[in-house]
Amino acid sequence: GDSVTQMEGPVTLSEEAFLTINCTYTATGYPSLFWYVQYPGEGLQLLLKATKADDKGSNKGFEATYRKETTSFHLEKGSVQVSDSAVYFCALSGIKAAGNKLTFGGGTRVLVKP
Amino acid sequence: GAGVSQSPRYKVAKRGQDVALRCDPISGHVSLFWYQQALGQGPEFLTYFQNEAQLDKSGLPSDRFFAERPEGSVSTLKIQRTQQEDSAVYLCASSLPRTGYNSPLHFGNGTRLTVT
Repeated sequence: GDSVTQMEGPVTLSEEAFLTINCTYTATGYPSLFWYVQYPGEGLQLLLKATKADDKGSNKGFEATYRKETTSFHLEKGSVQVSDSAVYFCALSGIKAAGNKLTFGGGTRVLVKP
Repeated sequence: GAGVSQSPRYKVAKRGQDVALRCDPISGHVSLFWYQQALGQGPEFLTYFQNEAQLDKSGLPSDRFFAERPEGSVSTLKIQRTQQEDSAVYLCASSLPRTGYNSPLHFGNGTRLTVT
């Protein structure tokens, strides 16, 4: 079945540092890929998405490129801020999934210190 | 409404009690999902509705879990005879299209269930 693996946290960074969160997936065919973010005390929010190979999703300075050859969708940001402290979830929606059901990774907690 | 609304926000139940968790999806959204999120884990799929039809309930962990959406809008997740392992955050999400696997889901803030 479909699965998502992402690097375990917590990841602790200083402000303005470079952030990478690795995500790899297993799925049949060409799934859609997503990054969701969960800020403290808030619900899951869509951060960015990519729907086909070599697509780059971007939002709020974050980027991720859909790499079919490596089955990866790593999240990057060039200069993090304290406000980026949150839990980040990589997810996929497979072509055989009911509706647009998401399969999530375990989440990566990121803490940015001033 | 402006977003997916879930109630109650927090629920404490004694082991063996029944609980009911409510989800109000975004108005007009056809698809509705329930997820279970254990502490420190990613959300795990429970069940999926398209309007009032429950099309996938493969993620429900036992027959103590039951979900309904009788009029195709509000949904209720019911857990009978709660156990400590049921303690988790229960997330509801909705989406507009009936199909389209590249459409994002809109999540509520969840109900945190603690079974003592």
